[in-house]
Amino acid sequence: DGGITQSPKYLFRKEGQNVTLSCEQNLNHDAMYWYRQDPGQGLRLIYYSQIVNDFQKGDIAEGYSVSREKKESFPLTVTSAQKNPTAFYLCASSIAGTTNEQFFGPGTRLTVL
Amino acid sequence: AQKVTQAQTEISVVEKEDVTLDCVYETRDTTYYLFWYKQPPSGELVFLIRRNSFDEQNEISGRYSWNFQKSTSSFNFTITASQVVDSAVYFCALSGPNNAGNMLTFGGGTRLMVKP
Repeated sequence: DGGITQSPKYLFRKEGQNVTLSCEQNLNHDAMYWYRQDPGQGLRLIYYSQIVNDFQKGDIAEGYSVSREKKESFPLTVTSAQKNPTAFYLCASSIAGTTNEQFFGPGTRLTVL
Repeated sequence: AQKVTQAQTEISVVEKEDVTLDCVYETRDTTYYLFWYKQPPSGELVFLIRRNSFDEQNEISGRYSWNFQKSTSSFNFTITASQVVDSAVYFCALSGPNNAGNMLTFGGGTRLMVKP
């Protein structure tokens, strides 16, 4: 089955630790995205990548980093510089271009204690 | 700048009622695309519909229908004869040709609760 996987579903970390969230897709999509969702709010874009080895900052990139070494994978690192990291993180992918819908993974709920 | 407003933060209906979720958008682009997504309690966003700015025909898919009106910059979503399984958060989103990388601008979402 084609789709997007995110692991783990729930993640707990101590304050001050970096943590990496996994996102893998087998849809052969060129573009991948990371969003953050806070309770009762919409999605905000953290980073996106249109092609391997290239990525761009979204609206709230501070305190986050990404890499895109493979087409299938777009891991997100939440660094200790992110002041309020507890949130629900969603990864998405799409065929490149503005006409195409994004497909979303199941999300990772990160709680920093 | 683009903006999407979903003024209704929560709606509660009884099963079998019809319900309309409002979406108002702002953009300077003449070509743009509007989307609706459903987020059930599991958390994953499910794509429902995409509409481009040149196609103002209303669309119906089963119990779902969408009313796109450029004159009022609205793209409203109606569920007919609602069911408990329709309970979810619904997001309206916007993208345009000047959005590098196909970025979506999301509204704040409307939580729909359908009671039996």
